[in-house]
Amino acid sequence: QKEVEQNSGPLSVPEGAIASLNCTYSDRGSQSFFWYRQYSGKSPELIMFIYSNGDKEDGRFTAQLNKASQYVSLLIRDSQPSDSATYLCAVNRARGADGLTFGKGTHLIIQP
Amino acid sequence: DAGITQSPRYKITETGRQVTLMCHQTWSHSYMFWYRQDLGHGLRLIYYSAAADITDKGEVPDGYVVSRSKTENFPLTLESATRSQTSVYFCASSELAGRRYEQYFGPGTRLTVT
Repeated sequence: QKEVEQNSGPLSVPEGAIASLNCTYSDRGSQSFFWYRQYSGKSPELIMFIYSNGDKEDGRFTAQLNKASQYVSLLIRDSQPSDSATYLCAVNRARGADGLTFGKGTHLIIQP
Repeated sequence: DAGITQSPRYKITETGRQVTLMCHQTWSHSYMFWYRQDLGHGLRLIYYSAAADITDKGEVPDGYVVSRSKTENFPLTLESATRSQTSVYFCASSELAGRRYEQYFGPGTRLTVT
């Protein structure tokens, strides 16, 4: 059974600090990796995607992928109170465009 | 540009009734998906579709039926609703390009089965 694991939190980080969110996955055939942000009562919003080993930066966000360790992470620099949300890690199933497997999410709280 | 919309946004129905949740996207994406989100389980794939008239089961398809006669619409029907189908339902769409694709979600439908 393919699984995506995340620490549920809550993860509390002071405003202005770096928030580090982690995710592991079990399917070695996974090809694509995504981070979604979800505010309470809202739908998931795609904030980062990564397909190759290494780092990918977009503004204050950096996604890191290590396929050998089956590990994906999301760093949020200069954390803001508006970053407080649940962050969902998702991976594509090995067969391609047949849906994503999601972790249960990490609840992030940025303390002013 | 509306993107992806779902209707109704909220629905209360009784056990045993049939209910249909609608999903409509304006991007002409080939791929569409239905997920449900429950506390303790996260988001789980119910059904997906690669194109009009092509659908396939996801992780939790039992009790659900889908159809896709037009590219832009992907309705989800609960044939005989049960309390365990109380959930938030999200529709998503994507356009596959090579080995990469990004899925975009609709606003969701909160369904309560009494």
